Amino acid sequence: AQSVAQPEDQVNVAEGNPLTVKCTYSVSGNPYLFWYVQYPNRGLQFLLKYITGDNLVKGSYGFEAEFNKSQTSFHLKKPSALVSDSALYFCAVRDEGRGYSTLTFGKGTMLLVSP
Amino acid sequence: DGGITQSPKYLFRKEGQNVTLSCEQNLNHDAMYWYRQDPGQGLRLIYYSQIVNDFQKGDIAEGYSVSREKKESFPLTVTSAQKNPTAFYLCASTQLAGAPQETQYFGPGTRLLVL
Repeated sequence: AQSVAQPEDQVNVAEGNPLTVKCTYSVSGNPYLFWYVQYPNRGLQFLLKYITGDNLVKGSYGFEAEFNKSQTSFHLKKPSALVSDSALYFCAVRDEGRGYSTLTFGKGTMLLVSP
Repeated sequence: DGGITQSPKYLFRKEGQNVTLSCEQNLNHDAMYWYRQDPGQGLRLIYYSQIVNDFQKGDIAEGYSVSREKKESFPLTVTSAQKNPTAFYLCASTQLAGAPQETQYFGPGTRLLVL
């Protein structure tokens, strides 16, 4: 079975500092990994995904994520946080071995960026 | 203007009442999905459809029903059998069904409240 864990319910960072939101996964085949962001009372917005190739994936709004197969991790990063980055972030995984294209989501990490 | 629309934005349900949430997409996507979001629990899959006139149960289908009579529409009915329907409901779609690399795109959501 595929699963994803976001070990931190909340991450606090000061504006201008680098941020990391952690995600680990478990799959039986090759993983397809996704990051989404959600602002209050809104739908999820796609940030980036890892399919294959370079372990460092660049996405929207200056975010990037690093795929680490040995540690089964896909942490979201940004070099310099903005107050407007404050939101709920979801990591999701799809297992190539499952045979259909459903996503399994983590429980989400609230990112709070202070001025 | 392409995208996924969900209506209404807020919906109130009385005890014993069935209610239907609308989801429409003009992206010509093959697959559509319904998720339920509860605080601290992430997104849980209710139903999904990869093709017109076919759909599959997700992880929490009990108390819900769907139809897929048209490619662009995937309405969700919350029946009286769903004893705890208060949640934020999200509809999503992907261009291709069964392709693990496909990105899911989300609508703005419907918040269902019980009177």
